[in-house]
Amino acid sequence: NAGVTQTPKFQVLKTGQSMTLQCAQDMNHNSMYWYRQDPGMGLRLIYYSASEGTTDKGEVPNGYNVSRLNKREFSLRLESAAPSQTSVYFCASSELAGTTDTQYFGPGTRLTVL
Amino acid sequence: SQKIEQNSEALNIQEGKTATLTCNYTNYSPAYLQWYRQDPGRGPVFLLLIRENEKEKRKERLKVTFDTTLKQSLFHITASQPADSATYLCALDMDGNNRLAFGKGNQVVVIP
Repeated sequence: NAGVTQTPKFQVLKTGQSMTLQCAQDMNHNSMYWYRQDPGMGLRLIYYSASEGTTDKGEVPNGYNVSRLNKREFSLRLESAAPSQTSVYFCASSELAGTTDTQYFGPGTRLTVL
Repeated sequence: SQKIEQNSEALNIQEGKTATLTCNYTNYSPAYLQWYRQDPGRGPVFLLLIRENEKEKRKERLKVTFDTTLKQSLFHITASQPADSATYLCALDMDGNNRLAFGKGNQVVVIP
């Protein structure tokens, strides 16, 4: 059981480049989430998917898009990266949909935008 | 504006003592509150969840209280050990849909 996996672990982009952060979970969880964590700030929710086939905006969705490809996978896309998107990105999943539940986090992707 | 406040200063504590962390919030009415642990370079790990109608929750050496009148949660680590050194995050679930709002975290350093 790998839990929540994220690729890549590290990435450096130039301003304007695009990339997709990948996330997969093998726990058969219904809900998945994308957060960013910046120094001196708490984790902030970017997008979430309560169940397969649904996605919704979180607190800081601007500049990002997501795809819930299937029950296992939830990707985050930066169409035109900006320095303000330099951050550590965490994917998480939870078993239950529409109710409070433990969230299981991946190891994170460290993104630098120059 | 909505705020979740955790102490920005690290808590240095002697091994064996009880560490107490505070999470205060304003302009939120959370239905649930969760605590996570985060080690450097890693993702957060869930520790405890407490509901608004629960006053206290325990798990091994950990204890959480939730006072909706004071808008505060306290997190206690009893008989602290060097392995407890980490950053502890408070997270609020406003509506029970598991969309969490996190505090900045409070670092604990347990000195042997």
